[in-house]
Amino acid sequence: GENVEQHPSTLSVQEGDSAVIKCTYSDSASNYFPWYKQELGKRPQLIIDIRSNVGEKKDQRIAVTLNKTAKHFSLHITETQPEDSAVYFCAANPYSSASKIIFGSGTRLSIRP
Amino acid sequence: EAGVAQSPRYKIIEKRQSVAFWCNPISGHATLYWYQQILGQGPKLLIQFQNNGVVDDSQLPKDRFSAERLKGVDSTLKIQPAKLEDSAVYLCASSQNTDTQYFGPGTRLTVL
Repeated sequence: GENVEQHPSTLSVQEGDSAVIKCTYSDSASNYFPWYKQELGKRPQLIIDIRSNVGEKKDQRIAVTLNKTAKHFSLHITETQPEDSAVYFCAANPYSSASKIIFGSGTRLSIRP
Repeated sequence: EAGVAQSPRYKIIEKRQSVAFWCNPISGHATLYWYQQILGQGPKLLIQFQNNGVVDDSQLPKDRFSAERLKGVDSTLKIQPAKLEDSAVYLCASSQNTDTQYFGPGTRLTVL
């Protein structure tokens, strides 16, 4: 079945710097890759997603890149702000169940003032 | 548009007791998911419903967990009897005819 690995598990960056979180997946037929942000004690919220027919997608300060050949995708946050502090989860859908997603283990991002 | 609703928000029980969680998805969303999120980990899918039918329950510990979605709207997840390792946040999510899943606030279960 699909396996999603996420690195690093924790990340601390200076406010204003960029943060990058990387994920790999195992199912070459996966075609949907969402990213969720979860603040402490709150629900996961979708921040951006990408489908396999594109290589990059941007939304203001966040962007996601996808390398289908290498089976990895990354989240990039530029000009980080204190409110970016949270746990970020990547996910991918196994082809066998298009609406199901498998989550990575999460990255705890801390923004230093 | 109202989001996914869950209740209760918190529950503390002793091991071997039973507990039930309730979820009301976003109106019109045919697909409903229950996830278990243990502290420090990503959500793990327990069961997926399409309308009132089960699509995937391969990760549901069926000896103690059960779930139903009568009439294809609300859903309940039950644990009987609970074990210490069931302490987690139980998240409900729903989706329409797309991949995007919207999560509820979750129920934090503590088993003593």
